[in-house]
Amino acid sequence: GNSVTQMEGPVTLSEEAFLTINCTYTATGYPSLFWYVQYPGEGLQLLLKATKADDKGSNKGFEATYRKETTSFHLEKGSVQVSDSAVYFCALSGGYSSASKIIFGSGTRLSIRP
Amino acid sequence: NAGVTQTPKFQVLKTGQSMTLQCAQDMNHNSMYWYRQDPGMGLRLIYYSASEGTTDKGEVPNGYNVSRLNKREFSLRLESAAPSQTSVYFCASSEGVGTEAFFGQGTRLTVV
Repeated sequence: GNSVTQMEGPVTLSEEAFLTINCTYTATGYPSLFWYVQYPGEGLQLLLKATKADDKGSNKGFEATYRKETTSFHLEKGSVQVSDSAVYFCALSGGYSSASKIIFGSGTRLSIRP
Repeated sequence: NAGVTQTPKFQVLKTGQSMTLQCAQDMNHNSMYWYRQDPGMGLRLIYYSASEGTTDKGEVPNGYNVSRLNKREFSLRLESAAPSQTSVYFCASSEGVGTEAFFGQGTRLTVV
């Protein structure tokens, strides 16, 4: 079945550092890929998405490119802020075998030092 | 713009008690989901409903039942609560295959 593997955390960076959180997936067909963010005490919010190979999703300075050849969807940001401290989840939906299920990675906790 | 609404937000149960978590969405979405999130862990799918009238098991369905009451509402029932079911429960909805999910604010459940 479909699965998502993402970088273990926690990740601690200084403000203005470059961020990469790795995400790889296993799926047949062409799933849609997502990054969600969860702030403390809240539900998950969609951060960005990509629905086909080579698409780049972007939002709030974050970017991720759908790489079919490496089955990856790594999250990047050029200069992080303290307000980016949160848990980030990679997810997928669709492909040939998953019906409408949305499969999540285990989450990566990000902490940004001032 | 309510989106996905879950009730209650907090609940404490004694072992063996039963309860139902309610979820409603106002986005006319076809698919709805129940996840649980344990400390330090990701989201695990309990049950989902691809469309009105259908339900399917996810990764961790044991000890739970669900009802897709209509297109808007999807409830999760614990028949006999156990301490292992202490968790934060999230309801979500989506238009369907390949589309993003919208989440409720969660229900924090403690079973003592």
